[in-house]
Amino acid sequence: GAGVSQSPSNKVTEKGKDVELRCDPISGHTALYWYRQSLGQGLEFLIYFQGNSAPDKSGLPSDRFSAERTGGSVSTLTIQRTQQEDSAVYLCASSPGLTNTGELFFGEGSRLTVL
Amino acid sequence: RKEVEQDPGPFNVPEGATVAFNCTYSNSASQSFFWYRQDCRKEPKLLMSVYSSGNEDGRFTAQLNRASQYISLLIRDSKLSDSATYLCAFKPPYGGSQGNLIFGKGTKLSVKP
Repeated sequence: GAGVSQSPSNKVTEKGKDVELRCDPISGHTALYWYRQSLGQGLEFLIYFQGNSAPDKSGLPSDRFSAERTGGSVSTLTIQRTQQEDSAVYLCASSPGLTNTGELFFGEGSRLTVL
Repeated sequence: RKEVEQDPGPFNVPEGATVAFNCTYSNSASQSFFWYRQDCRKEPKLLMSVYSSGNEDGRFTAQLNRASQYISLLIRDSKLSDSATYLCAFKPPYGGSQGNLIFGKGTKLSVKP
């Protein structure tokens, strides 16, 4: 499809395991964002990539969280040594970047459950 | 004061009612405001941008009050299909023209027959 694609859609893991979440943005979009949404909570900003610039990592909650974006396209969010409080829906979004009107195009999210 | 605050609701209204939501923001230098809609267990989608002069799109009207630091969303003639969570969002001034959006926790609207 032409939208933002995320995988896996659901992930159940045990506490202490590492997980990787993948995001494939809309083709041509230079900006890519990761947010997470816990039950009943708003969208919490995690990290933002814009072209070849250094990413804005100011929202990452701890050093267990990291993200990469390879070739200016696909991004992977990695959570090491998962904790139960990491359970949330992780949403990826992309936007055209320099021509951004403020519209972020979100994927359907990856629902992470840490047991 | 939190960066952004919204009444979580739920707002339970009958079909045809007019309903309004507000969203307050703390940083007076914030630019670019938006309303997003999120259906249950779905991703957020842009509903409309909020311009300084206010803007209208069909039954939806968005306004910005810089003096009191809030934005509003008015929905007229509510439809069952309007039931969703409405998230306000804005660009923080430190992000310049680019960067992330800050989102509110959302206001849940339920339109009943």
